[in-house]
Amino acid sequence: LAKTTQPISMDSYEGQEVNITCSHNNIATNDYITWYQQFPSQGPRFIIQGYKTKVTNEVASLFIPADRKSSTLSLPRVSLSDTAVYYCLVGEAAGNKLTFGGGTRVLVKP
Amino acid sequence: KAGVTQTPRYLIKTRGQQVTLSCSPISGHRSVSWYQQTPGQGLQFLFEYFSETQRNKGNFPGRFSGRQFSNSRSEMNVSTLELGDSALYLCASSEGALDYEQYFGPGTRLTVT
Repeated sequence: LAKTTQPISMDSYEGQEVNITCSHNNIATNDYITWYQQFPSQGPRFIIQGYKTKVTNEVASLFIPADRKSSTLSLPRVSLSDTAVYYCLVGEAAGNKLTFGGGTRVLVKP
Repeated sequence: KAGVTQTPRYLIKTRGQQVTLSCSPISGHRSVSWYQQTPGQGLQFLFEYFSETQRNKGNFPGRFSGRQFSNSRSEMNVSTLELGDSALYLCASSEGALDYEQYFGPGTRLTVT
């Protein structure tokens, strides 16, 4: 079962790019990586998911190096409304076990 | 489409009691999964139901159980409540397996006294 580790918090400023890295050393070949955003008093909201290399959607990019021991969520040009807790998740394709990281609290300042 | 709904939103129970939480998935979604969120342990996967069958299970004791009905609505039950069961219980629904995009509800905040 993959153990996932991410920074507890990070600060940024409006308009900057925010990169959050999640470490998952024991990841298997077919395991997937998902990132969620959570605001207070709400459930997590799906941001992006991938297996390898790079995935991009309208809100974020996900970079996964060849060894897949880490992954980086990139949020371009953040705004105040991006202040939230971000969770990485490693999902096992075999057995469907899910392991969440502890969450990274991102504070975007004006 | 309406989102995932959970009832009740808040609940206070006493140690030793049991509790049942309810989750209504997004229309058309057949998979419902449950999660526990606490400040100490973070987000943890409880179990997933698909077409009324438990398909996957996390590492929780047997006091935690669930079921899914033919309309995909799901309930989660915790028996013999302990203080450590105080948490935000989240459910999520999706069109397929756990690697499909999960849509989370707002959660039920359970406090055990």
